[in-house]
Amino acid sequence: QKEVEQNSGPLSVPEGAIASLNCTYSDRGSQSFFWYRQYSGKSPELIMFIYSNGDKEDGRFTAQLNKASQYVSLLIRDSQPSDSATYLCAVYRNFGNEKLTFGTGTRLTIIP
Amino acid sequence: DTEVTQTPKHLVMGMTNKKSLKCEQHMGHRAMYWYKQKAKKPPELMFVYSYEKLSINESVPSRFSPECPNSSLLNLHLHALQPEDSALYLCASSQDMSSGNTIYFGEGSWLTVV
Repeated sequence: QKEVEQNSGPLSVPEGAIASLNCTYSDRGSQSFFWYRQYSGKSPELIMFIYSNGDKEDGRFTAQLNKASQYVSLLIRDSQPSDSATYLCAVYRNFGNEKLTFGTGTRLTIIP
Repeated sequence: DTEVTQTPKHLVMGMTNKKSLKCEQHMGHRAMYWYKQKAKKPPELMFVYSYEKLSINESVPSRFSPECPNSSLLNLHLHALQPEDSALYLCASSQDMSSGNTIYFGEGSWLTVV
């Protein structure tokens, strides 16, 4: 089982709709969760981070965390063509090995 | 200001060359990272420096040699690389290595080994 799993996509969403990106992780002790956006040929850019169960909203973005299910998601409301990118889920592992582990990313395409 | 600056943006080098990638941050961060990213893959951690000391080496071949001259600078010295080392090399920093601290990436250095 991979440490952090994402559906690689591509995920196609009509402009103006809600894009839903999902991520599961295997380490129950993980406590910090991040979403990065990466445009083709560019470096990852932080979108959201979340530490506590529940929802966290920032503008059009909402991160959702369910530690019992080991599941974290990112919702993008009112999707725009500029949201087309690869979205990387990243999880901090604990227990003395403090490093950020990335999922393989989901490629999102917003269709005008 | 969350800026990590990397130079050069692009580098082409032969397999016998010696070159260096440079990274600088002025956010007062005490943890700095080198990641390698191949096309359509996630970033892979190579090295972590914490308070200017090498904290993590992810079994990276010795042809990659990191250096942290001070708390703001991080270098990656390259020697005798192979074509398969061609990739995007990302420098990053965070406040420290504590779990939960956000890692900020530079724009990356595109390396091509010929």
